[in-house]
Amino acid sequence: EVQLVESGGGLVQPGGSLRLSCAASGFTFSRYWMHWVRQAPGKGLVWVSRIYNDGSSTTYADSVKGRFTISRDNAKNTLYLQMNSLRAEDTAVYYCARDQLYYYDSSGYPTFDYWGQGTLVTVSS
Amino acid sequence: DIQMTQSPSSLSASVGDRVTITCRASQSISNYLNWYQQKPGKAPKFLIYAASSLQSAVPSRFSGSGSGTDFTLTISSLQPEDFATYYCQQSYSTPLTFGGGTKVEIK
Repeated sequence: EVQLVESGGGLVQPGGSLRLSCAASGFTFSRYWMHWVRQAPGKGLVWVSRIYNDGSSTTYADSVKGRFTISRDNAKNTLYLQMNSLRAEDTAVYYCARDQLYYYDSSGYPTFDYWGQGTLVTVSS
Repeated sequence: DIQMTQSPSSLSASVGDRVTITCRASQSISNYLNWYQQKPGKAPKFLIYAASSLQSAVPSRFSGSGSGTDFTLTISSLQPEDFATYYCQQSYSTPLTFGGGTKVEIK
């Protein structure tokens, strides 16, 4: 059974740092691209970052570029999100999600097929 | 960036009703469109990919259609477990973007 379990959330002051972890099990973690998606309280889903299966490429939303760093340890089956210079607007539940290609008519379509339960990050003084 | 706009933002419906949610992209995304369902306090659940293909185990009362910029999610006969918020998401290009969500509530 595929499982993604986030941890590391909590209350942090503006300007502070936090590192989120996402422990993966039930699949070959090293074969999959992974993402972080966040959701502010009462709001919609916002994609944050993506990392290739081997860590060779990372992509970020403009809102977090230069402040957040996505990384992974395939030996530990764990995805990370290092968050620095945190702002009040970063307050959200952070989900990790697996990227899976689904094929239709010979083309591959990227999806977020499994999600963790989320970890809440609150940025407040 | 590709903007995704969903409508309506919320709707009230009864069990057994046919429900349609629309999603519009700010530019053509071919059929690189996914749909997700989210219940309160839970992670999103993946429903549909390539605009119209159901993920396995998703009930056949769900269907998707569209291509280019205009897409729809239809629930043919609303069941009690379908009351949730639904999100479209484009996978055509980064940054990957979601619609604002449509909350389906009980009338």
